Amino acid sequence: ILNVEQSPQSLHVQEGDSTNFTCSFPSSNFYALHWYRWETAKSPEALFVMTLNGDEKKKGRISATLNTKEGYSYLYIKGSQPEDSATYLCAFRGGSQGNLIFGKGTKLSVKP
Amino acid sequence: NAGVTQTPKFQVLKTGQSMTLQCAQDMNHEYMSWYRQDPGMGLRLIHYSVGAGITDQGEVPNGYNVSRSTTEDFPLRLLSAAPSQTSVYFCASASPRDRGGETQYFGPGTRLLVL
Repeated sequence: ILNVEQSPQSLHVQEGDSTNFTCSFPSSNFYALHWYRWETAKSPEALFVMTLNGDEKKKGRISATLNTKEGYSYLYIKGSQPEDSATYLCAFRGGSQGNLIFGKGTKLSVKP
Repeated sequence: NAGVTQTPKFQVLKTGQSMTLQCAQDMNHEYMSWYRQDPGMGLRLIHYSVGAGITDQGEVPNGYNVSRSTTEDFPLRLLSAAPSQTSVYFCASASPRDRGGETQYFGPGTRLLVL
């Protein structure tokens, strides 16, 4: 059974703080790692799709890194804003025909 | 483009009733899938389809049927609803891009309560 772990489960930060969280996944048969942002009462929206070891992706204040050899990805948010409050999901795809396996997410709350 | 649409948004069923959750996308995506979201769990794949006429089981398929007669539509059928199927259901679609990393686009979800 493939396991995708995210830590921490939840995180409370003050506006302006920078933060990061982790996604751990199997290091064998890696194909792609996805990050999604999921606001309450909405549907998940894609942030990044990462496919190569050492990949770094950036979108505004949010960035992500990927280490496929050791099986982890970090998501960073610089200068958190209240509108960053959401659950951040990562999902692992093993093999070109594999389906996405989602982690349980990290719930971020940013206080003004 | 409307993207991925789902109906209904909310439904209450009695145990044993059947119903169909509708999902449609207008992006000409070949891949479509159904997930359920339960408290404390990640999104779990129920069924998926890689194209019209092709469906396959995901992680939690029991109690659900799907069909894919067109590229646009991917309905999910609950054959005989059980309280354990109380959940939020998300439909998603995807089209391959770049090197194997296809982004999934999610619908707004259907909240189902089975009494």
